[in-house]
Amino acid sequence: GEDVEQSLFLSVREGDSSVINCTYTDSSSTYLYWYKQEPGAGLQLLTYIFSNMDMKQDQRLTVLLNKKDKHLSLRIADTQTGDSAIYFCAESRHNQGGKLIFGQGTELSVKP
Amino acid sequence: KAGVTQTPRYLIKTRGQQVTLSCSPISGHRSVSWYQQTPGQGLQFLFEYFSETQRNKGNFPGRFSGRQFSNSRSEMNVSTLELGDSALYLCASSLGGGDHNEQFFGPGTRLTVL
Repeated sequence: GEDVEQSLFLSVREGDSSVINCTYTDSSSTYLYWYKQEPGAGLQLLTYIFSNMDMKQDQRLTVLLNKKDKHLSLRIADTQTGDSAIYFCAESRHNQGGKLIFGQGTELSVKP
Repeated sequence: KAGVTQTPRYLIKTRGQQVTLSCSPISGHRSVSWYQQTPGQGLQFLFEYFSETQRNKGNFPGRFSGRQFSNSRSEMNVSTLELGDSALYLCASSLGGGDHNEQFFGPGTRLTVL
């Protein structure tokens, strides 16, 4: 199937770490992406990971990939109020690089 | 480098009309993908164009069509509009090679069908 699943809401306190989870079903996934969408805006690419990697770190962002369980997570360290947004995970598949399959998005709310 | 631009940003149409949306990719990008975003269905892939050819297609009816010009600019057209076509239409551009395509999104066109 084409399912990419995410929990819908996450609320954290400023300064805490946020962990947003995503599961996917297709074993032919090649790259997995995290996008951020702020109100009234398009999608901003945050980071991506190749399917044969298990971890990638980029400043405050850490992506973990468990390929066996088809589970992806995005950890945001020292979460700030400016991180409040909707976060989407997305996958691309072999020979379909221009087609991204998105999860429903996780709305992150950061409280001061 | 200028980002992806979409015009118009907002559009109001009535049922039965048709609409054309435009997307200008980042300079040097040859692939343009289109997505529909609605509260109920989320983000759904419409189609991708690369070097003026449709390379991938989603599960949308034939009323949704697109094209790409030699300068990589792309248009999508929706004919015989239905209320359910009200959505944010996003385009994304990328270099277009291989399985990894970092897609950069435009701000979207908000279409309202009355």
